[in-house]
Amino acid sequence: LAKTTQPISMDSYEGQEVNITCSHNNIATNDYITWYQQFPSQGPRFIIQGYKTKVTNEVASLFIPADRKSSTLSLPRVSLSDTAVYYCLVGDGGFKTIFGAGTRLFVKA
Amino acid sequence: EPEVTQTPSHQVTQMGQEVILRCVPISNHLYFYWYRQILGQKVEFLVSFYNNEISEKSEIFDDQFSVERPDGSNFTLKIRSTKLEDSAMYFCASSQGLAGSSYNEQFFGPGTRLTVL
Repeated sequence: LAKTTQPISMDSYEGQEVNITCSHNNIATNDYITWYQQFPSQGPRFIIQGYKTKVTNEVASLFIPADRKSSTLSLPRVSLSDTAVYYCLVGDGGFKTIFGAGTRLFVKA
Repeated sequence: EPEVTQTPSHQVTQMGQEVILRCVPISNHLYFYWYRQILGQKVEFLVSFYNNEISEKSEIFDDQFSVERPDGSNFTLKIRSTKLEDSAMYFCASSQGLAGSSYNEQFFGPGTRLTVL
């Protein structure tokens, strides 16, 4: 399973765009990149998944460069309720899912 | 929207006692998982379950742990003889397909907070 590296924490202000980058240098050909969000005392919640280029849904965008060794989760116009831990996961659909330490995003008013 | 449910929300037990944590996955999902999260730490994979058998387990999932899908709807995690270090939040998750494969997200339950005294 590919190891991922993310910033430990980030601060932002309401209304700003937040970009969280995840490094996964040893990503394998079959691996997908998935991002989860976790609020305190809750289970993680799926945000977005992608394989290459750009994926967008109603919540976020995911940018993946051609070499796929990193990915960037982009949250447009964050609000206070986006304060959470964001996890980047890389895997090929195997039965084991490994969460890293995640990025703790704190959105300020 | 369908969701994964877990009971109880909080379980307090004495060291050495057995506990069973219960989960009801989303009804058409085929893959089931248990994770734990010690307070302030990351989410740790325990075990995955498919077709009525364990597919993969982590080094945390030793002989004290077992899982079962007793009746086609519930998915349980049993800890035979709890230790102080088993105190954590335990999350159940389910997915329609293999997690991490194309667009087969895992849906997590709200968790059971286990406190071992």
